[in-house]
Amino acid sequence: DGGITQSPKYLFRKEGQNVTLSCEQNLNHDAMYWYRQDPGQGLRLIYYSQIVNDFQKGDIAEGYSVSREKKESFPLTVTSAQKNPTAFYLCASSMWTALQGELFFGEGSRLTVL
Amino acid sequence: DAKTTQPPSMDCAEGRAANLPCNHSTISGNEYVYWYRQIHSQGPQYIIHGLKNNETNEMASLIITEDRKSSTLILPHATLRDTAVYYCIVRVAGGLTGGGNKLTFGTGTQLKVEL
Repeated sequence: DGGITQSPKYLFRKEGQNVTLSCEQNLNHDAMYWYRQDPGQGLRLIYYSQIVNDFQKGDIAEGYSVSREKKESFPLTVTSAQKNPTAFYLCASSMWTALQGELFFGEGSRLTVL
Repeated sequence: DAKTTQPPSMDCAEGRAANLPCNHSTISGNEYVYWYRQIHSQGPQYIIHGLKNNETNEMASLIITEDRKSSTLILPHATLRDTAVYYCIVRVAGGLTGGGNKLTFGTGTQLKVEL
């Protein structure tokens, strides 16, 4: 079945460590996105990518990095520079140029910094 | 993209219609209204979208007022599995000059369906 796979589902890390969250899609979508969600809050856009080898900062990119070497993959690295990394991270994809394209989301990765 | 205002929470009895309102008084002529929902600890799920006509699909109906300043998402026969946070979003259509499909999610409406 086509969809978006995020891994790991749960992740614990110590302060000062970088961690990479995986996001893979087999929907042949052009665009991919990373959102962050804190308890009781809406989703905030971290980074997005329209095409391979190109990505743009979202509203809260500081302390995060991404790469888009393949169309199917858009990993997110939470660096030690991110001051409050404990959150629920959601990856999504869509057709970039579709006039009314909808977002398809993964099941999320919950990161806890100890 | 225009801002939206939704009530923070609503209750609905199982089997009854759930009507979720959304105000978007600053919506522009080229902005669509989208609805998503998020069941606890899962990724959001697309429900429906529209521009100015009412829309219906297998999940819900979307009623947009004639002046497009507000809309209502209708779940005709709510079940316990419809308990979720419902997000109303307005945005310009996608494409290279339209900002793609970036969506801005507010805090939404927590719908609780009860027996």
